Amino acid sequence: AQTVTQSQPEMSVQEAETVTLSCTYDTSENNYYLFWYKQPPSRQMILVIRQEAYKQQNATENRFSVNFQKAAKSFSLKISDSQLGDTAMYFCAFMKQDTDKLIFGTGTRLQVFP
Amino acid sequence: GAVVSQHPSRVICKSGTSVKIECRSLDFQATTMFWYRQFPKQSLMLMATSNEGSKATYEQGVEKDKFLINHASLTLSTLTVTSAHPEDSSFYICSARESSGNYGYTFGSGTRLTVV
Repeated sequence: AQTVTQSQPEMSVQEAETVTLSCTYDTSENNYYLFWYKQPPSRQMILVIRQEAYKQQNATENRFSVNFQKAAKSFSLKISDSQLGDTAMYFCAFMKQDTDKLIFGTGTRLQVFP
Repeated sequence: GAVVSQHPSRVICKSGTSVKIECRSLDFQATTMFWYRQFPKQSLMLMATSNEGSKATYEQGVEKDKFLINHASLTLSTLTVTSAHPEDSSFYICSARESSGNYGYTFGSGTRLTVV
């Protein structure tokens, strides 16, 4: 069975600084997808970024980028120029190809302070 | 972009009663919808996969007779918590995937259920 581990329950960063959230996963699959979701205080889940395992190039979305290390089964999220609105829970998620099931990690609570 | 509407956002019910939660895809068709449960300060746990026109697939440990799922159309799935008890109090979230195959999941805004 696949598992997703986020070893940082809480992180904090000063506004405009950079922060990296860690995520590791365990799978025997070769084809899969990885996601980072943000859940602000409103509880609405928002997709931050997505990575296909077959792509070597790391995905980027504006201030958000990932460091995908397939051999190490690591998928960290880097947030550059942190903003107060980035304060939220961040969940790493895994999905095996040809399935629809998202498996979530336990989440990292990120606090951005002025 | 894709929008999933979930109602109600909050509901309080008495023990022993049933509560229905609706999940609608507003601008796309979703053959598959998903229901999650989230305890305070914890992750999302998949409860079941709702398939349009067929029976839902429940995850291990989820009581299908307690959590009834109906996916009668391509835009609506409902979760009914039957004979609710205080331990059913939780945050329930639905999500839907567009049939375009780009693996984009859209989540509803969630329902906070409190059973008293």
